[in-house]
Amino acid sequence: GAVVSQHPSRVICKSGTSVKIECRSLDFQATTMFWYRQFPKQSLMLMATSNEGSKATYEQGVEKDKFLINHASLTLSTLTVTSAHPEDSSFYICSALQEAYGYTFGSGTRLTVV
Amino acid sequence: GQQVMQIPQYQHVQEGEDFTTYCNSSTTLSNIQWYKQRPGGHPVFLIQLVKSGEVKKQKRLTFQFGEAKKNSSLHITATQTTDVGTYFCAYTGNQFYFGTGTSLTVIP
Repeated sequence: GAVVSQHPSRVICKSGTSVKIECRSLDFQATTMFWYRQFPKQSLMLMATSNEGSKATYEQGVEKDKFLINHASLTLSTLTVTSAHPEDSSFYICSALQEAYGYTFGSGTRLTVV
Repeated sequence: GQQVMQIPQYQHVQEGEDFTTYCNSSTTLSNIQWYKQRPGGHPVFLIQLVKSGEVKKQKRLTFQFGEAKKNSSLHITATQTTDVGTYFCAYTGNQFYFGTGTSLTVIP
């Protein structure tokens, strides 16, 4: 089946630093990946759509300069949270669409900014 | 914009009782998917419904897509403690969006 690997699973960083989260499709090529954020006891909110070889499409209200997305290859998309602040602490999760298996999710990254 | 609400937001049931969560959209959906997210985990795909009035079953789980394709339901018969988690409906609009989710607690 389709497998999406996300790394790291947990990260604690200091306020003002940047954090990079990787999302890899292991056994299929993903021209499109999606990045979500989930606050405790809330639904997953789509942040942006990552398109291989082109700029990401951000949802309304998501700062593109703060959440940098790079989709340099058909199997890797990265999300960089720049100048992180405590309010950026959240669960970040990526997903990719594989035609036969539908949307497959990474295992998520729990970011804590202290 | 398009919004999909799920009710109830929370549900506590005794083990063995049935459970139903409803997903309601303000506009017609082309398809609907259901996911389960265990506490601390990531969403796991359960099923996709595409046709008006479609009903699909997976063991104790029954999924329905409304005739107008504006609502959907997930029904669990005789809940077990392994059913604990949050159930999300999701849909494809311009992008891929999740409903608000229903958190299920099963009391042994």
